[in-house]
Amino acid sequence: KAGVTQTPRYLIKTRGQQVTLSCSPISGHRSVSWYQQTPGQGLQFLFEYFSETQRNKGNFPGRFSGRQFSNSRSEMNVSTLELGDSALYLCASSFGLAEASDTQYFGPGTRLTVL
Amino acid sequence: LAKTTQPISMDSYEGQEVNITCSHNNIATNDYITWYQQFPSQGPRFIIQGYKTKVTNEVASLFIPADRKSSTLSLPRVSLSDTAVYYCLVGAFNTGTASKLTFGTGTRLQVTL
Repeated sequence: KAGVTQTPRYLIKTRGQQVTLSCSPISGHRSVSWYQQTPGQGLQFLFEYFSETQRNKGNFPGRFSGRQFSNSRSEMNVSTLELGDSALYLCASSFGLAEASDTQYFGPGTRLTVL
Repeated sequence: LAKTTQPISMDSYEGQEVNITCSHNNIATNDYITWYQQFPSQGPRFIIQGYKTKVTNEVASLFIPADRKSSTLSLPRVSLSDTAVYYCLVGAFNTGTASKLTFGTGTRLQVTL
């Protein structure tokens, strides 16, 4: 079974631009979560989408947004990029069960560099 | 919001058992504990998950005491390829709740000959 895929793997942008990252979950998974990973802050939860609706949200500004499509694929958008947005952006998928033990599986990440 | 604490780094020799502990004093009733392994430039890889007592799979064991304020990941007979960063994750995705997932700071395990 194919794992979580993320595109692109690497991206270079300049301050003020916007960027869209894409994530395709494991087949059958309906929940997609996004994380930001930086050396200073570690892994931080951005938001989770389930059945095209944002179900959980972390503590990030409104410049970070996302959406999910009917096939469970998800996109994350960051507008007005800042230097501090340089990070590895990880996507994770799960079945999205109403059970606390639902396990997340991560993709390889998109490395975003903001110049 | 469960805050987690892990040792920053650990060293081990190949063939030894490694135990990595994660502290999560204010874990919530619904929270599960999940451990991930991450290699450079890759996404975290699921290792093991548990709620209480002991869980074992083909690669690791997870020990959780009765008060659930900590958990210990046990890796038997580590090899060089186990050199990675290990994260504990405390939280739960329950439909309709806004439970936040909290990753530990990660423990960098270095295995040598």
